[in-house]
This record gives sequence, C-alpha cells and structure tokens, in this order.
Amino acid sequence: KAGVTQTPRYLIKTRGQQVTLSCSPISGHRSVSWYQQTPGQGLQFLFEYFSETQRNKGNFPGRFSGRQFSNSRSEMNVSTLELGDSALYLCASSFPQGPNTGELFFGEGSRLTVL
Amino acid sequence: GNSVTQMEGPVTLSEEAFLTINCTYTATGYPSLFWYVQYPGEGLQLLLKATKADDKGSNKGFEATYRKETTSFHLEKGSVQVSDSAVYFCALISFQKLVFGTGTRLLVSP
Repeated sequence: KAGVTQTPRYLIKTRGQQVTLSCSPISGHRSVSWYQQTPGQGLQFLFEYFSETQRNKGNFPGRFSGRQFSNSRSEMNVSTLELGDSALYLCASSFPQGPNTGELFFGEGSRLTVL
Repeated sequence: GNSVTQMEGPVTLSEEAFLTINCTYTATGYPSLFWYVQYPGEGLQLLLKATKADDKGSNKGFEATYRKETTSFHLEKGSVQVSDSAVYFCALISFQKLVFGTGTRLLVSP
C-alpha cells in the first residue's frame, strides 16, 4: 500500500514569492492534515481537510491556505513568502476519525527554503 | 492551552543500554497520549498510544504508561539498538489536532 506522497521534496524560493505544495494521501484516507516543522517552533498544526472542506485550522496568518480535491489530494499554498517560512511541511492522512484518534500517517515532507 | 513538555536532547546511549525519555503534559481532562518517531529523512510514524489513565502503550520493545497523578507519559526501552536512533515526539490530542512536544533526539552508538 503506497504511503503519503508529498511533492516537491525540496524547493528554494525567494522572499515575496508564493509556493504550492502537494500531498497525495494513502488510498482510502479522506482526511489530510498539514503541519509545519521548524527547529525553533517544533511541529505546529496548519489545517485539516476532509471531503474538500477545511475542518480545523491552526494559528497561522492568512498567507497560508489549503484546499482538498474530490480525490482527497490536497495542496497548501503560502503567498508572499518570508524568511521565517523556511521549514519542513508535513502532510498526514488518516481515516475521517483520525484527527480525533491521533492516528495519522505522515509523508516525508516538503522542505522549503526561503532566501 | 494543552501542551506537552519533553526532555532536551540529544540523548546519547550505547547499544543495549536502557532508555528513558521524559514527557509531561498539561491538559484539561485526560486526552489520549502518543509517542511518534521520526527516522532520518522520513516522516513521523506512530510508535505507541494510550487513551486513558494507567493504560500502557507498547510497540517494538518501547513502552509508555499514562500516569495522571504525575501527568507523565515517559517512553522506555530496555535495550536500545543503533537502529533506534531517531527523534521521538510526545503528543496529545487537543481540539481534534495533535499537539507535539519539541522532540528528543536519540543517538545510539555501537
């Protein structure tokens, strides 16, 4: 069974640009969550999508957005990039009750560097 | 708000040594508790969980017991291997999302 696939794995952007990251969940998983991982702040929850609807949201500015498609694939977008957005962005998929049970399946992440 | 505090790393051990990684939590009520592990270059994997007080989660030789009296969920393993070298995250469920500790890096040498 294929795992969670995130693309691209690595990317470099400059301040002010925007970026889109993609996540393909495990087959049959309809919930997709996004986390930001940085050395200073650790793992922080961005948002969670289920059935193309955002079900939960963390404390990030509006520059961070996401969406989910009918096949459960998800994308997140960061606009007007800042140096502090440099991080590993992790996607996790689960069955619908996953966010309540804590049983999430993580991808390897997309490492974003902002110069 | 609900939060998790882990011991600072790195924890450096020799193979076959006993491992303890401390984790304490602050929460209203008794949320489910988790240990996730992140091997180099990989995403996080669920290692074990406990859903109520006095529950013991176990997997791959690792154990952790949910202690409400001390609000703790310490991770233990009797004999570590080089392959256990990774970053370990303690976490709890809060408002339908995982809240993670800062992670503890474990380095095991042969």
